[in-house]
Amino acid sequence: AQRVTQPEKLLSVFKGAPVELKCNYSYSGSPELFWYVQYSRQRLQLLLRHISRESIKGFTADLNKGETSFHLKKPFAQEEDSAMYYCAPYYGCSGGYNKLIFGAGTRLAVHP
Amino acid sequence: SAVISQKPSRDICQRGTSLTIQCQVDSQVTMMFWYRQQPGQSLTLIATANQGSEATYESGFVIDKFPISRPNLTFSTLTVSNMSPEDSSIYLCSVVPRQGSYGYTFGSGTRLTVV
Repeated sequence: AQRVTQPEKLLSVFKGAPVELKCNYSYSGSPELFWYVQYSRQRLQLLLRHISRESIKGFTADLNKGETSFHLKKPFAQEEDSAMYYCAPYYGCSGGYNKLIFGAGTRLAVHP
Repeated sequence: SAVISQKPSRDICQRGTSLTIQCQVDSQVTMMFWYRQQPGQSLTLIATANQGSEATYESGFVIDKFPISRPNLTFSTLTVSNMSPEDSSIYLCSVVPRQGSYGYTFGSGTRLTVV
């Protein structure tokens, strides 16, 4: 079965501190990987995807195939980054699946 | 990206009744999915809504409990049948806007409380 692990339920940091939200996935073929974010009282929205290698709101994520990890990082956290973050591998048709699987989520709390 | 309208946004229902949730997309989409997010939990995929054929259900979910319709490429419904308090959850519609796209878009969700 495809699995994704986010080991931390809660990550609490002070404003300006670096942030790393961990994500490990089970390997089966070559999944595409996403990070989704849910701010308070807002709908789930796409933060970034590894295929585009983009940086959104200062966040980046590097795919490490050797470690099967896709950790989300930001060098200086802001209070507005406080939200729930979900790592989501997409196992596309080439891997025999076509669905987005969500990790348990990590709540990031950035304190002033 | 596609714009999703999901109705109702919330409801409170008595046990034993059923609720049908609608998902309308402003453009034709290849894939539509239904997720559940129970209190304090992550998202769990219920099923893939297939246009013109029966939905594909994930382990632990069955058609009798969660019948799904998808009459065309822009619309789907999920029914939560014979509800119990354990069905209290947020139900989310999600779509893949077009073939080859990986940017899943989510509806705002339906918050269901079963009393």
